[in-house]
Amino acid sequence: NAGVTQTPKFRVLKTGQSMTLLCAQDMNHEYMYWYRQDPGMGLRLIHYSVGEGTTAKGEVPDGYNVSRLKKQNFLLGLESAAPSQTSVYFCASRNPGTYTDTQYFGPGTRLTVL
Amino acid sequence: AQKVTQAQTEISVVEKEDVTLDCVYETRDTTYYLFWYKQPPSGELVFLIRRNSFDEQNEISGRYSWNFQKSTSSFNFTITASQVVDSAVYFCALSGDNTDKLIFGTGTRLQVFP
Repeated sequence: NAGVTQTPKFRVLKTGQSMTLLCAQDMNHEYMYWYRQDPGMGLRLIHYSVGEGTTAKGEVPDGYNVSRLKKQNFLLGLESAAPSQTSVYFCASRNPGTYTDTQYFGPGTRLTVL
Repeated sequence: AQKVTQAQTEISVVEKEDVTLDCVYETRDTTYYLFWYKQPPSGELVFLIRRNSFDEQNEISGRYSWNFQKSTSSFNFTITASQVVDSAVYFCALSGDNTDKLIFGTGTRLQVFP
C-alpha cells in the first residue's frame, strides 16, 4: 500500500514548455486535490476532483489544467510554464464520510521554471 | 470567508522545553473541521490530528496535546518536552461543512536545538 505517489519528484522547465504531473493513489479514495506550496504562503488549492471524470477549480487555478480519467489518478498540466509557477506541488486524496476522513498527501514535486 | 492565522512565523526552543503553536481560525460554518499537519525537513506532509467543531475536548497523544476553544476560535498545539526530531514546519488547516477544501495557515517553523 503505497498511499499517494507523485511523479516526477523534481523537474526543471524553461518558460513556455509544457508538462504533466501525475498523482496516483491506491486507497480507493473518491476525492483528490492539487496544491502548490510557496514560501511564506502555506498551501493553496489549485484544482480538485470529487470523483472520476469530475474536476473543479480551487483558489489558484489559472495556468493549470487537470484531468481525472481514472479514479486512482489525478493529472495536473501546465500548458505554457511561467516562472511564477516555480513551486512545490502536492497532491492529496481523501475518502469523505469515513472515520478517517482527512486528506493524505503525496511526497511533493519540486518544479523550477527558468 | 474562511481563514486560518498562524501568527508565529518561527519559534526556537532548546530540547526538553515545552512549546505551544498558536492557530486562530475564522469561519461562518456551524460544522467545520480543524487539522494539524507536520512538514519535516524531508518535505512530506504528515497528518497529526483532525477535530470537528462539536468536540471541544482537549486531546493528548504522547508528548502532543491540542487545545480547542470555540470561544476564542483557537486550536493550539503544544509539544511537551520537545525533541530535536520535532523540528519541522507545522500547519494548521480548516475545512467547512459543505466544502471539500482545506484552508491552510502559513505555517510555523519550529526549531528545537540540542
